[in-house]
Formats: sequence, structure tokens, C-alpha cells
Amino acid sequence: GAGVSQSPRYKVAKRGQDVALRCDPISGHVSLFWYQQALGQGPEFLTYFQNEAQLDKSGLPSDRFFAERPEGSVSTLKIQRTQQEDSAVYLCASSAHRGQETQYFGPGTRLLVL
Amino acid sequence: GESVGLHLPTLSVQEGDNSIINCAYSNSASDYFIWYKQESGKGPQFIIDIRSNMDKRQGQRVTVLLNKTVKHLSLQIAATQPGDSAVYFCAENMNRDDKIIFGKGTRLHILP
Repeated sequence: GAGVSQSPRYKVAKRGQDVALRCDPISGHVSLFWYQQALGQGPEFLTYFQNEAQLDKSGLPSDRFFAERPEGSVSTLKIQRTQQEDSAVYLCASSAHRGQETQYFGPGTRLLVL
Repeated sequence: GESVGLHLPTLSVQEGDNSIINCAYSNSASDYFIWYKQESGKGPQFIIDIRSNMDKRQGQRVTVLLNKTVKHLSLQIAATQPGDSAVYFCAENMNRDDKIIFGKGTRLHILP
């Protein structure tokens, strides 16, 4: 595709609800990243995939956060039993290869947990 | 700690003037640096990058300077335009790692 797309763009969840956020990377891109951006802050790394392999999940804040990329293209970030502190913008980025390659970001999903 | 940060949270510049946005980093192992621009409601947009074996790199209207001695990175925008209004983030990466670490950002205001 022309760029990284994410859906939904906005999500309102009640505390305790499960949510699933989708990322469609640029076609053919090997690497896919998820970041969390709190209001007024820079994005913070959550997890990274190379094709379907999750190589780094050191940034996931708790075991309520789970990400997958089963076929090496589309990825889903799932948050179970959402809490108010999960409210943030979740950004997805992709790059053509691994290593020091330009990462292209999607528009993000703004999650609000009430 | 090992983090990338910025000296000023907000910068106001007259339209047509040059803008200079500064960034300090503390991780001496970082060897790749990137500047991103983020407009309201959008994801970060790549502007320019530089590797640690370089001191300066120029793009269209933008220049990035890297001073490894004092661990300082700057972004210069020539002839600032209203469309340059955004939050600018510097980010760093270490070769052994794939993720990038972002600083807190500087909001650039363009005065008419």
C-alpha cells in the first residue's frame, strides 16, 4: 500500500474490556514495530517483529498486552482487561529490512479507557 | 539514564527565519540518529537521519548536525514556513538494536 494504515483510528473502551488494534504495514516491509505515545510525550517502544517472528517484546508494559503477526504482514496489538493508564495513542511503524532502516509510521489508534 | 531529550519544549520562530531545534543524548553507544516531525493527529513523519560517522547531513531545507563530543544533535530548518508547525522529535538507535528511542519533543510555533 501507499503507507502504513491502522484501524480503528479511535477506540473508546470501558475499563476491563479487551481491545484489538490493527496495523497494515507497507507492502513487503519485513520489520514492524509498535509504539505507545502518551499525551505530550514521545513514542515509546513496545514490541518488534521481523516477518512473523516477534524478536523483541521488552517494551510491553504488562502481560495484558499481546501482539501477533501470524503471516508476516498485518499485525494486531491486543490489550486485555484495559485500565485507564492504557489510554494513549498506539503507533505502528514498518521498515523495509531490519537494522538501521527508516521506519515509516501509521496515523495511530487513539485509545481512551473510561 | 540512557535517554534522548530536548532542551526546550517550545520554540517560536518568525515565518521566513531559520529554526534550530536542539537535542541532547546520553547513550554513547548510539550510532544512528533520526529527526521526526509530528503534526496533530498524525503519526511521526521521517525528516532526516544521520549516522555517527558523519557530522552533518543536508536535505531539502533541513540540515542535521551531530556533535559526538558533547552528544548533541540539532535540526536546522531554513526559511521556516507555516507548514513547519509541528512537534519535532529526535530519536536514537544502536546498531545492535532495532528499536528507536524517542526524546520528549519540541513544539515549533511559526509566528506570522
